[in-house]
Amino acid sequence: NAGVTQTPKFQVLKTGQSMTLQCAQDMNHEYMSWYRQDPGMGLRLIHYSVGAGITDQGEVPNGYNVSRSTTEDFPLRLLSAAPSQTSVYFCASRPLDPNTGELFFGEGSRLTVL
Amino acid sequence: KQEVTQIPAALSVPEGENLVLNCSFTDSAIYNLQWFRQDPGKGLTSLLLIQSSQREQTSGRLNASLDKSSGRSTLYIAASQPGDSATYLCAGTQSFQKLVFGTGTRLLVSP
Repeated sequence: NAGVTQTPKFQVLKTGQSMTLQCAQDMNHEYMSWYRQDPGMGLRLIHYSVGAGITDQGEVPNGYNVSRSTTEDFPLRLLSAAPSQTSVYFCASRPLDPNTGELFFGEGSRLTVL
Repeated sequence: KQEVTQIPAALSVPEGENLVLNCSFTDSAIYNLQWFRQDPGKGLTSLLLIQSSQREQTSGRLNASLDKSSGRSTLYIAASQPGDSATYLCAGTQSFQKLVFGTGTRLLVSP
């Protein structure tokens, strides 16, 4: 039972570098989302998608890009990493209707930007 | 803007106690509410989902209630065990597609 798989689990970047956090789910969920978790701030929504080819911004989208070419994959791209993007990133998925199923989370990707 | 508050921020109890975790939200127009558990260094695991037409949900020793009119939800844990030690988060679905999280209650159950 793979569920939601995130890679890498840990990453260290230098300021200005770019990278992609990968997220894949095998539950055929239409809805996928990315959150960042920071101490004292809780989880904040970065971007979300309600199906292939459809994405939208969450609460803190600046500095991040997403795309959704398939139902299974929802990568998060950092275009030019900044120390403020040091955080733990979580990908989550569920069926499109929030009343039909709970949100499933990946194990997280811990990113440090120096 | 929806704000979700969880009280207390931390709680320490001896094994066997019944306990209540509180979650309050400022905008009663939430679609549904979920309670999650997070273990250190891990992702979130859904515990209970209270759908828009429901007022409570039960799973084993856990019971969650939702009162939209007062902007409150509670998670009741019966007969707590050391394995219940974790951070518990509540989250309300806003605008159908956006989940707004509280900052969590860190629970420690001592043997």
